[in-house]
Amino acid sequence: DVVMTQSPLSLPVTLGQPASISCRSGQSLVNSDGNTYLNWFQQRPGQSPRRLIYKVSNRDSGVPDRFSGSGSGTDFTLKISRVEAEDVGVYYCMQGTHWPKTFGQGTKVEIK
Amino acid sequence: EVQLVESGGGLVQPGGSLRLSCATSGFTFSIYWMGWVRQAPGKGLEWVANIKRDGSEKYYVDSVKGRFTISRDNAKNSLYLQMNSLRAEDTAVYYCARRDESGNDGDYWGQGTLVTVSS
Repeated sequence: DVVMTQSPLSLPVTLGQPASISCRSGQSLVNSDGNTYLNWFQQRPGQSPRRLIYKVSNRDSGVPDRFSGSGSGTDFTLKISRVEAEDVGVYYCMQGTHWPKTFGQGTKVEIK
Repeated sequence: EVQLVESGGGLVQPGGSLRLSCATSGFTFSIYWMGWVRQAPGKGLEWVANIKRDGSEKYYVDSVKGRFTISRDNAKNSLYLQMNSLRAEDTAVYYCARRDESGNDGDYWGQGTLVTVSS
């Protein structure tokens, strides 16, 4: 199975400040079709996961533009340009290139 | 509006069985891959199973192979997960999730249903 490693696992952030989460995969996530199936999900307390980013850097409809994704191959990053109170929750990266699909351990974002 | 609503969770003894359902609406169910994802209490996410649009291909994570069966009824716009030989480690909230038309998983999720395996 492809191991997804996130860091940090806990991220205290001041409101209005930027935040960055790293995700590394144990092998390349470039699919045979040329796409890289790396998604980012947000899970607010008590809620279902919500997809923010798909294929590394594509924002889902309705996702604020303060969220951005980047990376390639095995190294990926989710950035929040200015953290707002509603961004509190756990963030997961997920690879969909290889079966079984696997998630990172999750990064808990909280307000300082 | 796209909706996915899971049901069928509950308390079951080890070795028992349970069938989860995911009723969908607001989209053409038959053209989407679907899957089940679980989350043990206080833990992370685990993708359990996927099924192709017409049900002809199914994929399972190793930990549930031979015990769980994913299926769908496109006429009823519903997804199912038959869970047999349940173990304590299967205790989790189970979510159904859709794969979008471009092959990216998890564009929509249900609210989840809790399965507790305990004597």
